[in-house]
Amino acid sequence: QQQVKQSPQSLIVQKGGISIINCAYENTAFDYFPWYQQFPGKGPALLIAIRPDVSEKKEGRFTISFNKSAKQFSLHIMDSQPGDSATYFCAARSSGYALNFGKGTSLLVTP
Amino acid sequence: GAGVSQSPRYKVTKRGQDVTLRCDPISSHATLYWYQQALGQGPEFLTYFNYEAQPDKSGLPSDRFSAERPEGSISTLTIQRTEQRDSAMYRCASSPGQVNEQFFGPGTRLTVL
Repeated sequence: QQQVKQSPQSLIVQKGGISIINCAYENTAFDYFPWYQQFPGKGPALLIAIRPDVSEKKEGRFTISFNKSAKQFSLHIMDSQPGDSATYFCAARSSGYALNFGKGTSLLVTP
Repeated sequence: GAGVSQSPRYKVTKRGQDVTLRCDPISSHATLYWYQQALGQGPEFLTYFNYEAQPDKSGLPSDRFSAERPEGSISTLTIQRTEQRDSAMYRCASSPGQVNEQFFGPGTRLTVL
């Protein structure tokens, strides 16, 4: 049973646009919500992460928005670039346990 | 080493054969995870180690799957009597401890014919 639901499955954005990927979860014990970026032939790499005591975290062009009451969180990529084209995974974890991943979003940023 | 390494990168085997996959974590990382990633899906947890201890095997799909980390560093994942449904990418990740960031290896692509 998938504990983290991710949408959309794929996304095409023009260069300079905003990419938005959404995730939802049910387990209220989750206390750590990372986003991973994966390029072809490589393993997932941590992009940015948030804990539920804050509603937003920004690192450069990447922002996580977190809505604890709705049990949803999203990744926003501002000024999207062709180099951002990759598969993005949201994940969630309760303390000391393994990551539960979403199914992934394939992002293509066109020039 | 510089990162998590896995070998082999690709493995093709016939149904019924046993396979062993290897993970070499970042040196000094205490925690090591194994995940299975089907095509078009996110990684799914199989098992993990704290040093040589294996506190959680709950994600292993059947008793054909086993993992070990006898000296608390390199780990192996063994699949006995492979079946076609075992075909997937197998990923290893390591972290300094259970609550820290996980660093993933490039994976082993297993194909069972």
